[in-house]
Amino acid sequence: QKEVEQDPGPLSVPEGAIVSLNCTYSNSAFQYFMWYRQYSRKGPELLMYTYSSGNKEDGRFTAQVDKSSKYISLFIRDSQPSDSATYLCAMSATSGTYKYIFGTGTRLKVLA
Amino acid sequence: KAGVTQTPRYLIKTRGQQVTLSCSPISGHRSVSWYQQTPGQGLQFLFEYFSETQRNKGNFPGRFSGRQFSNSRSEMNVSTLELGDSALYLCASSFTGTSGGDTQYFGPGTRLTVL
Repeated sequence: QKEVEQDPGPLSVPEGAIVSLNCTYSNSAFQYFMWYRQYSRKGPELLMYTYSSGNKEDGRFTAQVDKSSKYISLFIRDSQPSDSATYLCAMSATSGTYKYIFGTGTRLKVLA
Repeated sequence: KAGVTQTPRYLIKTRGQQVTLSCSPISGHRSVSWYQQTPGQGLQFLFEYFSETQRNKGNFPGRFSGRQFSNSRSEMNVSTLELGDSALYLCASSFTGTSGGDTQYFGPGTRLTVL
């Protein structure tokens, strides 16, 4: 079993839809949770960063962390064709030198 | 502030050859990490360097090696290339690389194709 599981998609939604992207994990030591967006032929770009449990909102994006269920989500409101990309979740432990563990990414396509 | 830069952007090599990839981190960042990205396995951690020392290592064979220079620039080397080494190699930099609170910023990657 992988430490981080993410549905690869692809996920196709109409423009304006609310998108829900999710990851589950098995390591309870993870305390930092990130979402990256990766466009084709580009490196990942940091979208959201949260510590421990709770919600964080930034414009059309909301990140949720439920540590009790070992489950994180990224919601995109009013999705746009420009949101079409692969979304990667990443996690790291709380102390010491770290390495990120990434999900395999969910490919999202927003149809105009 | 300039982002993470990687050179070259594209490389084509044949089996058995070796290759060196270069990464220049964001100015002031001292930690550089390398990742391999493939469609099947996603992003996999190769190693991390801080102040010219390898601090973390992933589960890759010894053919994969790296180093970091005093100006924090880093190079990654793959010897005796295999077809399965074809991937996007990503470099990420962060300020200290310690604790999960120090976020990583990625470069555009080097696309390596092994024929």
